[in-house]
Amino acid sequence: GESVGLHLPTLSVQEGDNSIINCAYSNSASDYFIWYKQESGKGPQFIIDIRSNMDKRQGQRVTVLLNKTVKHLSLQIAATQPGDSAVYFCAETRSQESTFGDGTTLTVKP
Amino acid sequence: DTGVSQDPRHKITKRGQNVTFRCDPISEHNRLYWYRQTLGQGPEFLTYFQNEAQLEKSRLLSDRFSAERPKGSFSTLEIQRTEQGDSAMYLCAGGDGNEKLFFGSGTQLSVL
Repeated sequence: GESVGLHLPTLSVQEGDNSIINCAYSNSASDYFIWYKQESGKGPQFIIDIRSNMDKRQGQRVTVLLNKTVKHLSLQIAATQPGDSAVYFCAETRSQESTFGDGTTLTVKP
Repeated sequence: DTGVSQDPRHKITKRGQNVTFRCDPISEHNRLYWYRQTLGQGPEFLTYFQNEAQLEKSRLLSDRFSAERPKGSFSTLEIQRTEQGDSAMYLCAGGDGNEKLFFGSGTQLSVL
């Protein structure tokens, strides 16, 4: 069977390594997905988005992968830096209402 | 910086008191959203406005909660007769027509 990445509440990586953060969503009718980064004391900040008609989208140092078959979303961060330390949330959106998943706390060790 | 400002940043109140929070989005945000976030959880949708019209409310929004956006610009969220379970971060977000949200830094409410 296909392997699906597990959601982990915390992830610790060494500076310079790549990070992969996983998320499972629940609504197969969701057509738009966003990853947000939330630093302490701040609101969530947009990182990257993807529509349901795509399976991959790349930004600067970040890539989002969407697997609609298993309702799974992942965020890949290349060459992770200390400034990437934060809580990361995926959100699925349908009809203007965004539903956020459980966050993953990323800690980058220097 | 998203340009969305919220006031106050922190509010401590006693149970049973009323509180009001304010959100000022930028002028391009014809949509305005309120979310609530408790420690360790993702934000939960409360309600949203298209200009001055409140278009959707979550079941989380009990009758003690009321939100307004009278002129389609700033918005207020009022909680009456606060309870300890209302303690949370209240986040406001602006939107410009697509589903991307631009969050403010939130108001942290503590009900004693």
